[in-house]
Amino acid sequence: EVQVAESGGGLVQPGESLRLSCAASGFTFSSFWMSWVRQAPGKGLEWVANIRRDGGEKNYVGSVKGRFTISRDNAKNSVYLQLNSLRAEDTAVYYCARERDTGTYYSQIFDFWGQGTLVTVSS
Amino acid sequence: DIQMTQSPPSLSASVGDRVIITCQASVDITKYLNWYQHKPGKAPKLLIYETSNLETGVPSRFSGSGYGTDFSFTITSLKPDDVATYYCQQNDNLPPTFGGGTKVEI
Repeated sequence: EVQVAESGGGLVQPGESLRLSCAASGFTFSSFWMSWVRQAPGKGLEWVANIRRDGGEKNYVGSVKGRFTISRDNAKNSVYLQLNSLRAEDTAVYYCARERDTGTYYSQIFDFWGQGTLVTVSS
Repeated sequence: DIQMTQSPPSLSASVGDRVIITCQASVDITKYLNWYQHKPGKAPKLLIYETSNLETGVPSRFSGSGYGTDFSFTITSLKPDDVATYYCQQNDNLPPTFGGGTKVEI
């Protein structure tokens, strides 16, 4: 059974850092692109970043470029999101999601998601 | 970035009703449009990918159609378990972007 589970969320002050983790199981992790998607309170879903199967390519939404870093450890079946210089507007539930393998370079079809971890940025 | 405009933002319908949600892209995305169901506190769930392909295990009362810039999502006979927020999402170009969501209530 495919499973992804996020951890690492919490309450931090503006300007501080946090590292989110996502542990995957039930599939060949190294064969899939992985993404982070967030949902601010009362808002819709927003894609944040993704990372190629081998970690060699990473993409980010404009609002987090230069502040957030996505990485992965295929030996540990895990993907991470380092959040630096956090702002109040980064407050959200952060979801880890697998991107479906469609045979193309990447698909951006999110076929399995975790239940999310809450990040709250407040003084 | 491609903007996705979803409507209505919310709707209330009765069990057994036909429910239709629309999604409009700011540019031509051909067939690259997906639909998700999201219940509070749960993981979002992929229902339909590339406009009209039903994800494995998803009931056939869910369907999708469209092409280019205009898409629709239909629940043919609403059930109590369908109470959720539904999102469209384009996967034609980075960054992938979502519609604002439609909250479906009974």
